[in-house]
Amino acid sequence: DAKTTQPPSMDCAEGRAANLPCNHSTISGNEYVYWYRQIHSQGPQYIIHGLKNNETNEMASLIITEDRKSSTLILPHATLRDTAVYYCIVLGGNTGKLIFGQGTTLQVKP
Amino acid sequence: SQTIHQWPATLVQPVGSPLSLECTVEGTSNPNLYWYRQAAGRGLQLLFYSVGIGQISSEVPQNLSASRPQDRQFILSSKKLLLSDSGFYLCAWRIPQGNTGELFFGEGSRLTVL
Repeated sequence: DAKTTQPPSMDCAEGRAANLPCNHSTISGNEYVYWYRQIHSQGPQYIIHGLKNNETNEMASLIITEDRKSSTLILPHATLRDTAVYYCIVLGGNTGKLIFGQGTTLQVKP
Repeated sequence: SQTIHQWPATLVQPVGSPLSLECTVEGTSNPNLYWYRQAAGRGLQLLFYSVGIGQISSEVPQNLSASRPQDRQFILSSKKLLLSDSGFYLCAWRIPQGNTGELFFGEGSRLTVL
């Protein structure tokens, strides 16, 4: 499974867009990019995933570069409740093994 | 619909005592099952994963063990707990669908070893 690299922390003003980057330069052609977030003392929550096309759902947008070596999670209008640790992982097939990196701690400030 | 149950939610144990955390999944078959640990202020560390009954893969050498006696049951155990075993333990499941398959987490078990 490919490794991911994320900045350890980011700040965002409430109401503004939060753009969280992730590098996954060793991703293979059949691996998907998944994003999860973890609010303190809870289990991680699924946000979005994609293969090579940009994706959007009610929570966020996912922009994947054409070479698929990096992606950006966009929270269009961040709220205080979006303060959490955001994890980017890549996975594919039935290898079973899912490794989380250290994630990015997003602090949304009023 | 699928659900995942994990218990106990909190546990305080003395050093050297045994441990058993249990996780069950309902509403699905042949899931991949996972145990993660999160120490205070740290990220998620994969401990064990299983792609089938009796098939356990260990990621980190430690004094913990895992078992999968039934398709939808995953148990994390220790014979003698260490202080360093304290942490937040999360069970998760996933159905691989081609190259995808979202990972679903339980609510976690918070273990404090004194």
